[in-house]
Amino acid sequence: EPEVTQTPSHQVTQMGQEVILRCVPISNHLYFYWYRQILGQKVEFLVSFYNNEISEKSEIFDDQFSVERPDGSNFTLKIRSTKLEDSAMYFCASLAGGVEQFFGPGTRLTVL
Amino acid sequence: QKEVEQNSGPLSVPEGAIASLNCTYSDRGSQSFFWYRQYSGKSPELIMSIYSNGDKEDGRFTAQLNKASQYVSLLIRDSQPSDSATYLCAVNMDTGRRALTFGSGTRLQVQP
Repeated sequence: EPEVTQTPSHQVTQMGQEVILRCVPISNHLYFYWYRQILGQKVEFLVSFYNNEISEKSEIFDDQFSVERPDGSNFTLKIRSTKLEDSAMYFCASLAGGVEQFFGPGTRLTVL
Repeated sequence: QKEVEQNSGPLSVPEGAIASLNCTYSDRGSQSFFWYRQYSGKSPELIMSIYSNGDKEDGRFTAQLNKASQYVSLLIRDSQPSDSATYLCAVNMDTGRRALTFGSGTRLQVQP
């Protein structure tokens, strides 16, 4: 069964550094999402992406965040200058044409 | 502020019993409703979706939706220890937007 994959599974970085989190959505899916979950808190929407552009973003998704689909398979989330409060699990999700989103395994980001 | 509310639990049930998980949402315009299961340290796994008032059954799981009361529930019959997890209610607040708003989850413990 096709799955969303994410790399790396765990990323440790120093405050102020740039990180790129990578996702490979399910191949025939059209909509892509990033969510994050700070330890012990709710899953929060960051951004959605469709037809090579951002279709929706939350207040969390400020200028330090960007997304890109550099080729036909990868979908990336870049955090330009990481802060301690960016430490969280980051989940990529994808959706075909309906409304059911399927989540990848996540990347645990630790900012020191 | 559009909210999805869940009792955090833990909800403790004996093996073989019915577990009943509840969720309320604030936006009357909500269109789609989902239950995700999340094991500790893992990503959300979609287990049920429901769009119309009434019941929807899938194996041991039954989702119930009452749009007038802004209430959605999940029943798990014949609960197993492997069902022990956090159950996340997620709502698609806006037609076409497709970003999910999550509740904080209810932790279910099934006692063998």
